[in-house]
Order: sequence, then structure tokens, then C-alpha cells
Amino acid sequence: DTEVTQTPKHLVMGMTNKKSLKCEQHMGHRAMYWYKQKAKKPPELMFVYSYEKLSINESVPSRFSPECPNSSLLNLHLHALQPEDSALYLCASSQEPGGARGQGWTGELFFGEGSRLTVL
Amino acid sequence: ILNVEQSPQSLHVQEGDSTNFTCSFPSSNFYALHWYRWETAKSPEALFVMTLNGDEKKKGQISATLNTKEGYSYLYIKGSQPEDSATYLCAFTGWGAQKLVFGQGTRLTINP
Repeated sequence: DTEVTQTPKHLVMGMTNKKSLKCEQHMGHRAMYWYKQKAKKPPELMFVYSYEKLSINESVPSRFSPECPNSSLLNLHLHALQPEDSALYLCASSQEPGGARGQGWTGELFFGEGSRLTVL
Repeated sequence: ILNVEQSPQSLHVQEGDSTNFTCSFPSSNFYALHWYRWETAKSPEALFVMTLNGDEKKKGQISATLNTKEGYSYLYIKGSQPEDSATYLCAFTGWGAQKLVFGQGTRLTINP
């Protein structure tokens, strides 16, 4: 069983809807991630939270709004999405974030099973 | 822009055969190379992480090698079984990076 839980597994929404994707981990990990994956493409990083603070936003459009209410939870709020935003959204966590004082990082990512989003 | 390339995109192999595929990555500012295995409808799971040129890692019948000078890694599966069917992703981490950059994956199908 995966230790990173994502809900819902599937979501269909219209372009005017507001919805949220949720991610939860109870491994005590201090970094959490949102990746987006389209078919036959690599997973692309969207956001990184380190110690509950947003540390990386990969120039993601504002219609995607991340939130980290506490160290175990990560949300992705969705509003006014476009059909091209349809994809698999993967959440991941790692024990520690990378990039500490310019050091190397071999951090293993623990992934959820993803939320399959369809925007009509 | 970091480019991580995997080849082939997909592969069909008979049960019992051995196979291998490739991950190419930038050789400059290299810190670590990861391999993940991703079965359909499950979550990607880490197989290996390698940091040193010449590293070889093994888990059961799956092994991986690393050449950081030329920027490639090979994943080998010996005596493929149907349960080895999955997408195999590699990911690159640069020095001081906070993220993994993934390749597009090799989708492996083992035919019984």
C-alpha cells in the first residue's frame, strides 16, 4: 500500500468549476511535491513545499493554487481550468527537501497513485 | 533546460528474455541518478539511486549502471517475468537542486 494518499482518484470538472486535489502522508516527511503528467511525457514538477513553505513554483498558471495546511497535508486548488490541463496529477513527499546550503541531494520521492483530472 | 531522455519509449519482450534500456542525462553538475518503477494504476516506486561514476546497483534480477562522464545509465532485467511489466522512469538531480527531473519513461511489456 502506498503511504502517500491522494484523493480523488478521478475528477471531471467544467472550466468554470472550483475543485481541489488532496494529498496526505504520515511518514513525517518535510517536503511535498506536485507533479503533472500527460500521456507519454515525463512527470513535470509544479510546486515544492519545504517545511510547509512554498519553495518552488515552476511558473505554474495561477488557476492552480497550492496549499500546505500542515506538514502532512498538501492541497491543489483548481479554478477556471482549461481542457489542456487534463492530466494525471501526482503528489510526492521526501524525508528532507533538497538544495540545503548548496549540498547534493539524493532524496527518494514517495509518490501517491495520482489524481486523473479531466477538464471539459 | 535540463533534458533527460529515455530509450526506447516502449519495449515488448518474451517472458524469460533479458532486456535493457537507456537513460541519458546532462553530465555537467551531476549529483544523482534515480530509477523508478511504475506499474499501471499504482504509484511510482524507487528502485535505485546512484551517485558515483561506475556505480552498479542490483535488486533481484534488475540491475543498473551509471556513467556520469558520458551522461548515461542502463537498466537491465535478466529473465523477464510478467510482473516486470511496468514503466521505468529515470530522474536526474543536479548539485544543489531541490527537484528531480524525469525522463518520459520506457514502457516495458512482458509477453507470457
